[in-house]
Amino acid sequence: AAGVIQSPRHLIKEKRETATLKCYPIPRHDTVYWYQQGPGQDPQFLISFYEKMQSDKGSIPDRFSAQQFSDYHSELNMSSLELGDSALYFCASSSGFRVNTEAFFGQGTRLTVV
Amino acid sequence: ELKVEQNPLFLSMQEGKNYTIYCNYSTTSDRLYWYRQDPGKSLESLFVLLSNGAVKQEGRLMASLDTKARLSTLHITAAVHDLSATYFCAVANSGYALNFGKGTSLLVTP
Repeated sequence: AAGVIQSPRHLIKEKRETATLKCYPIPRHDTVYWYQQGPGQDPQFLISFYEKMQSDKGSIPDRFSAQQFSDYHSELNMSSLELGDSALYFCASSSGFRVNTEAFFGQGTRLTVV
Repeated sequence: ELKVEQNPLFLSMQEGKNYTIYCNYSTTSDRLYWYRQDPGKSLESLFVLLSNGAVKQEGRLMASLDTKARLSTLHITAAVHDLSATYFCAVANSGYALNFGKGTSLLVTP
């Protein structure tokens, strides 16, 4: 079965650079969530999109922005990178908002800021 | 703000033993999830619990939900080494985003 695809899987950037992470949801899933997981930490919700509109916002820094495109894929844009941005970034997708909605996670993008 | 607390955070147990991981949450929610994560890997969905009294079992793992007590448990029966991983509970907020607990790092030893 198709899963959530994230690219790239690994990314190394220098401080103050920019990075773009991509997420391709499971086919027919219309909702995308982004999470950040620092080393030894629990995942923290950043932002979500439903039908290409922002649906919820968590602890996303102002230096980050995201959007969902017409084909439902999503991109997380990160600017002025800081050392503390080094983390695993997960994308998850789900289908609609129903009581039994379940989000499925991608393999993650490991971002290292040096 | 929805808070999710797990305990214990670290658990070392011998193979063949039983143990329970607890997950408390602070505000009403009708959806609770358990995930497994191996080091550096993605989050694997284990259970989705949607109603008070829900109990689900898969192999040596059994999860339950008490919405009145705002408590979920993940019970491990006759642990084996392959169960070594970090287990997260997560509670959905009104917007369907998940609030995760700190995770329980489980190590099963011979």
